[in-house]
Amino acid sequence: KQEVTQIPAALSVPEGENLVLNCSFTDSAIYNLQWFRQDPGKGLTSLLLIQSSQREQTSGRLNASLDKSSGRSTLYIAASQPGDSATYLCAVRDNYGQNFVFGPGTRLSVLP
Amino acid sequence: GAVVSQHPSWVICKSGTSVKIECRSLDFQATTMFWYRQFPKQSLMLMATSNEGSKATYEQGVEKDKFLINHASLTLSTLTVTSAHPEDSSFYICSARADRGLNEQFFGPGTRLTVL
Repeated sequence: KQEVTQIPAALSVPEGENLVLNCSFTDSAIYNLQWFRQDPGKGLTSLLLIQSSQREQTSGRLNASLDKSSGRSTLYIAASQPGDSATYLCAVRDNYGQNFVFGPGTRLSVLP
Repeated sequence: GAVVSQHPSWVICKSGTSVKIECRSLDFQATTMFWYRQFPKQSLMLMATSNEGSKATYEQGVEKDKFLINHASLTLSTLTVTSAHPEDSSFYICSARADRGLNEQFFGPGTRLTVL
């Protein structure tokens, strides 16, 4: 059974810092991995989707990498801003394509 | 990306009543829809998967008689929480995909259910 963990559980940084969020998964037979942002009381906003054949994806200040063999992904946020404050969720989809398994999330606070 | 809507966005009900939550895919036909539940400060847990025209497949530990899922059309799925109790209070998020295979999955904005 796939399990997804995220480290750290919470992170507080001053504005302008570069930061890295980590995601680990136990079964490397994944179809893709997706990073989401969730604001308090809100739904999910998709940030980056990495297919299993890809190593990384970039969007603006965000860069996500995938090392399938070691079961790891990182989300890099450059020049963090207070508006980046949210919970970041990592989710992996298995090779059968049916189910997403979510990690517990990293709660990020960027202080002005 | 494609848009998935949910209605209502929040609902408060008395214990023992039933509540229906709608999930719609606005600009694509959703062959497969998913329902997730999220308790405070916890991650999303899949409750059930439904394919249009078929009965939903429930995850282990989810009572199918309590959480009724109807995916009667390619753009609408409903989740009915029957005889709701305070422990059913949660954030319910639906998700939709255009086929039964490997296309991208899109998420709705969620529905906050509070049972008094």
